[in-house]
Amino acid sequence: DTEVTQTPKHLVMGMTNKKSLKCEQHMGHRAMYWYKQKAKKPPELMFVYSYEKLSINESVPSRFSPECPNSSLLNLHLHALQPEDSALYLCASSGLAWDEQFFGPGTRLTVL
Amino acid sequence: QQQVKQSPQSLIVQKGGIPIINCAYENTAFDYFPWYQQFPGKGPALLIAIRPDVSEKKEGRFTISFNKSAKQFSLHIMDSQPGDSATYFCAASNRGVNGGYNKLIFGAGTRLAVHP
Repeated sequence: DTEVTQTPKHLVMGMTNKKSLKCEQHMGHRAMYWYKQKAKKPPELMFVYSYEKLSINESVPSRFSPECPNSSLLNLHLHALQPEDSALYLCASSGLAWDEQFFGPGTRLTVL
Repeated sequence: QQQVKQSPQSLIVQKGGIPIINCAYENTAFDYFPWYQQFPGKGPALLIAIRPDVSEKKEGRFTISFNKSAKQFSLHIMDSQPGDSATYFCAASNRGVNGGYNKLIFGAGTRLAVHP
């Protein structure tokens, strides 16, 4: 099973709202990733967790706050977002080989 | 040096044709080269990947050709079908640098349309 699940599928939020995106995998992968993807662009890496510890923060604004409660779960907490933050947010995971990275279906976020 | 340059930006072929998408890199430390297929509104799906110790890899109708000396790799889709219409991203990484994760450097993407 090479499945990464993400909820919700769609999210509309105002600039003053607080919301969270959730990602889950049951492949035993120890690395999990958050990406942001704008239309017609490649995925842009935001955060990487390895063994439940934050390994990479690609200078992401503090209005995005990641959390890795355990090896299967990854959250992205959102607060005071801007309209330009509207995008497809993708979660991915990779396993012991460090290489094959599997993406979830994404959450389509719209900030009004 | 961290860039991966992908071409063409878009590609139109007729059903049964063989679209070819090319990628070039500079960092000789890269040792893993995957291709992803993405349909509108969906997440990228890992299609096929190659390591630099081989020059070609086939999986079904998809073939990666790898030229280490030229620092280039390409995706060929045999007998292309309308259902192959999607955006294709190449990527590269250096697995040895990082501890337990794989930071992919993506190309800009190629939008492929296969006409019936």
